[in-house]
Amino acid sequence: QKEVEQNSGPLSVPEGAIASLNCTYSDRGSQSFFWYRQYSGKSPELIMFIYSNGDKEDGRFTAQLNKASQYVSLLIRDSQPSDSATYLCAVFVDGANSKLTFGKGITLSVRP
Amino acid sequence: DAGITQSPRYKITETGRQVTLMCHQTWSHSYMFWYRQDLGHGLRLIYYSAAADITDKGEVPDGYVVSRSKTENFPLTLESATRSQTSVYFCASRRDRGFFSYGYTFGSGTRLTVV
Repeated sequence: QKEVEQNSGPLSVPEGAIASLNCTYSDRGSQSFFWYRQYSGKSPELIMFIYSNGDKEDGRFTAQLNKASQYVSLLIRDSQPSDSATYLCAVFVDGANSKLTFGKGITLSVRP
Repeated sequence: DAGITQSPRYKITETGRQVTLMCHQTWSHSYMFWYRQDLGHGLRLIYYSAAADITDKGEVPDGYVVSRSKTENFPLTLESATRSQTSVYFCASRRDRGFFSYGYTFGSGTRLTVV
């Protein structure tokens, strides 16, 4: 059974710090990886996706993928209070009937 | 407006009643999904659809029915609502390019309370 695990939270960091969110997955066939942000009372919003080993940067966000070790991480640089949300990791095995498998999420709190 | 919309945003119903949650997308995405989200359980897939008239069960389908007569609509029906179905329900569609997925886009959600 495909599993996606996110390190236990909640995570609290001071404003301006780097927040590191980690995710491991069990299916070696996983090929695409997604990070969603969900504010309280809102729907999940896609913020990053990555499918190649290495780093992918988008503004203050960096997604890191290591397929050999089966983990994907999200770094948030210069964390802001507006980054306070739950972050969901999701993995996808490419194919016509494949579905995203979501982790349970980790709640990030950025202290002013 | 382009996008994916759900209605109603909030619904209170009584145990035993039938309830239908609506989902409409304007992108003509083939794949659509229904999830429920509860504290401690994360997102759980109820049903999904690969195209009009093609639907399949997810991990928690009991008590739910779906249909998809048109690509853009994917309603979810609770045949006889129970208190355990109190939850937030999200509809999503998937943007694909061949076999590569750009991920899901979620609707705003429906908060359902069964009393």
